[in-house]
This record gives sequence, structure tokens and C-alpha cells, in this order.
Amino acid sequence: TQLLEQSPQFLSIQEGENLTVYCNSSSVFSSLQWYRQEPGEGPVLLVTVVTGGEVKKLKRLTFQFGDARKDSSLHITAAQPGDTGLYLCAGVLGAGSYQLTFGKGTKLSVIP
Amino acid sequence: DADVTQTPRNRITKTGKRIMLECSQTKGHDRMYWYRQDPGLGLRLIYYSFDVKDINKGEISDGYSVSRQAQAKFSLSLESAIPNQTALYFCATSPTGVANTGELFFGEGSRLTVL
Repeated sequence: TQLLEQSPQFLSIQEGENLTVYCNSSSVFSSLQWYRQEPGEGPVLLVTVVTGGEVKKLKRLTFQFGDARKDSSLHITAAQPGDTGLYLCAGVLGAGSYQLTFGKGTKLSVIP
Repeated sequence: DADVTQTPRNRITKTGKRIMLECSQTKGHDRMYWYRQDPGLGLRLIYYSFDVKDINKGEISDGYSVSRQAQAKFSLSLESAIPNQTALYFCATSPTGVANTGELFFGEGSRLTVL
């Protein structure tokens, strides 16, 4: 059973479109992170959210942590080809935990 | 230069061979990790270390061993490689602190193919 379910698994859109990807769980996380991974490289941290209901913006990317801290979403406005990559969510289960649990990722392709 | 450096970046080997993947970091972090990434399975933790004298198994440690030679160095060994260990391997580091929320800083990966 996957602790963190990401959807959709694959997404292909035209440049300029908006999109939202989701990260859902039945477990409560003390914090949740989003990473982006480009081909041939390691994942790079985009954002960490720690408070239920928190919303963070990073240029055209908006991240939201659910009120119950069981889910998160990433919304991209006016997608660009440079947004192409694998988006991974990862969560920490408890305040004293050290270990990140990863979802399987959403592979995004933005077509020029 | 990369803060987390992995060597080799690519390796092809045969079944039964011993393989070592090395990781060094300049971030000054105490915590280091080895993950493997497989298509459709995501990132899975193999081993982790919180300091030089600390080694812990992750969820998929069978067939692997590690050595933390120094704060900045953490190596992963496959004593007798098998084909299902073909994967992309990542080393990562994280800081330790009161506000630690587990953020990881990854190397660029080592692609291992076992024939």
C-alpha cells in the first residue's frame, strides 16, 4: 500500500495552460515537501509546508497543505516547457521522525 | 561544483560482481542517505546514517551494505550484484536541527546496470 498517492501519474499539456497535481494520504504528516526532478538529475526541493491549510507561492507555482495535513496540491499557472519534469511529494509522518516517505510522482510534459 | 557528489555516474557490471558507489558532500550535514529509484516504484530508502558511528537500515536494505567513513563520505556496496539491483541510485543529505523537517539534498545519481 502506497502511503502517499500522487495523481495524475502522467500529464501532458500545452504551454500556457494551468494544471493541478495532487498528493493524497490517509495518514497525517507533520510536514510535506515537493520536489522536482529533471531527467538525469536528482530531485530538487521546491517547498516545504508544515501547517494545516498553509499556502505557499513560488512564482507561478502554488502549493497547498490540507487542513488535516493528509493531502497537498501543486498548481502551476501558465505552464512553460521549463516546468517539464517529475514532481514528487514527500512527507514526514511524525514530529520526531527523521524519514521521508515519497510518492511515486507525477510526470509533467509541457509542449511548446 | 555539486554539493553532493556521486561516483561513478554510470556503471555496467555483471551478475556476482562487487560494486561500490561513493558519495561525498560539502554541505556540512550530519545525515546522509542512500535511495534507489525505479520506474513506477518511486524513491525507496536503502540505508541512512545520522553520524559517523551510526548506520540504520531502510526499507530495502537486503543485498546492500554501507560505510560512513567520515562526516562527508557515505558509500554503498553491493557485495554480489544481481540484475534486479539495476536502478538509479541517489545519495542525499539533510541537516540536523530543532526545526528539522527532513528536507533532502540529492546528488545527481548513479545509474547501475547489472547484466
